[in-house]
Amino acid sequence: DAGVTQSPTHLIKTRGQQVTLRCSPKSGHDTVSWYQQALGQGPQFIFQYYEEEERQRGNFPDRFSGHQFPNYSSELNVNALLLGDSALYLCASSTGFSGYGYTFGSGTRLTVV
Amino acid sequence: GENVEQHPSTLSVQEGDSAVIKCTYSDSASNYFPWYKQELGKGPQLIIDIRSNVGEKKDQRIAVTLNKTAKHFSLHITETQPEDSAVYFCAARAPNTGFQKLVFGTGTRLLVSP
Repeated sequence: DAGVTQSPTHLIKTRGQQVTLRCSPKSGHDTVSWYQQALGQGPQFIFQYYEEEERQRGNFPDRFSGHQFPNYSSELNVNALLLGDSALYLCASSTGFSGYGYTFGSGTRLTVV
Repeated sequence: GENVEQHPSTLSVQEGDSAVIKCTYSDSASNYFPWYKQELGKGPQLIIDIRSNVGEKKDQRIAVTLNKTAKHFSLHITETQPEDSAVYFCAARAPNTGFQKLVFGTGTRLLVSP
């Protein structure tokens, strides 16, 4: 049973560019949440998708956007990259919107230079 | 919104000792408290969780306790082993925010020396 799959694993972008990160949820899960984890910090909630709609959003600017597809996979897009966007981006999947039993992927390490 | 504080930030123990990590939360409505273990280069992995209607939960060498009155919960690891070395995160979920999200603590780096 495949867990949460994220791609790519590592990415280097230049300031001002745009990036798209991808996530495939665990089999049977229909909700995807995205988190940003800066070095040495705990994960910070970006937003959550359920039934192809953004259901909840954390304190992140509009440069951060996302999408969920009918097969429950999801994308995170970040526009106009800043140096401060460098972080590990984690995708977590779960069932419904209970918040129970999050399963995290291994993340995408984004470096902005 | 919910705020979770976690202590200590680093914890060094000898193999076989016990380790305790403590977290406090701010939202009295929070009702679910998971603990995650994150190894280098990997995403967080759920190791144990507790709901607000339970005061303690145990799974082999790992236990979690919850004090709703004081709004704090703790992770207890007994008979620590070198493979327990990792960063541990606590989290809390507040139900009155609509669709659920977890708010994480800042993490505890546990080092178990042989």
